[in-house]
Amino acid sequence: QQQVKQSPQSLIVQKGGISIINCAYENTAFDYFPWYQQFPGKGPALLIAIRPDVSEKKEGRFTISFNKSAKQFSLHIMDSQPGDSATYFCAASAVNSNYQLIWGAGTKLIIKP
Amino acid sequence: GAGVSQTPSNKVTEKGKYVELRCDPISGHTALYWYRQSLGQGPEFLIYFQGTGAADDSGLPNDRFFAVRPEGSVSTLKIQRTERGDSAVYLCASSLSGGGRDTQYFGPGTRLTVL
Repeated sequence: QQQVKQSPQSLIVQKGGISIINCAYENTAFDYFPWYQQFPGKGPALLIAIRPDVSEKKEGRFTISFNKSAKQFSLHIMDSQPGDSATYFCAASAVNSNYQLIWGAGTKLIIKP
Repeated sequence: GAGVSQTPSNKVTEKGKYVELRCDPISGHTALYWYRQSLGQGPEFLIYFQGTGAADDSGLPNDRFFAVRPEGSVSTLKIQRTERGDSAVYLCASSLSGGGRDTQYFGPGTRLTVL
């Protein structure tokens, strides 16, 4: 019930292509869905986040798509660049556990020049 | 302004030893979190402080793990009688107030290796 399942585990995309990472959850109490980006040797950094009252949020080349009925959300990286190569984590939290993030297992993204 | 800092960046110890990991949060942040990240996994929640008190320590795996934040700023994670399974990157994060949608800012982590 508490899990967030993330796929794929790894992804290779050509420069300029679209990178897509998917996450699914079971707990309908989740109401906040952030995506974090982590470079080797660094801590995760918030990339973009969405609440379930909207179906899409876009910030620059990064877009979250959210499907409440399917309990799925995804990150799209448009015009992927080599500098986007990192590990991406989806996460979720619920208002009744107002601080604890439940994390996906991560996707290692490699953008080939 | 300075971000979250953690020291040491790397710690190698022998099985059975005691270790302390330090976290300096962003100034003014009342909420502080400790996570553990194993290779190829997402961070796993350990403990959450609101000010000086541990609001939730339900993620601590056993009584060998303990954390303090005596003045509501710097926090220390203490691990007694270390075991090889404790090897991981220990991440600290802070946020302004600890609300559910409050952005958590992470430090670079301390890589703990127990031989």
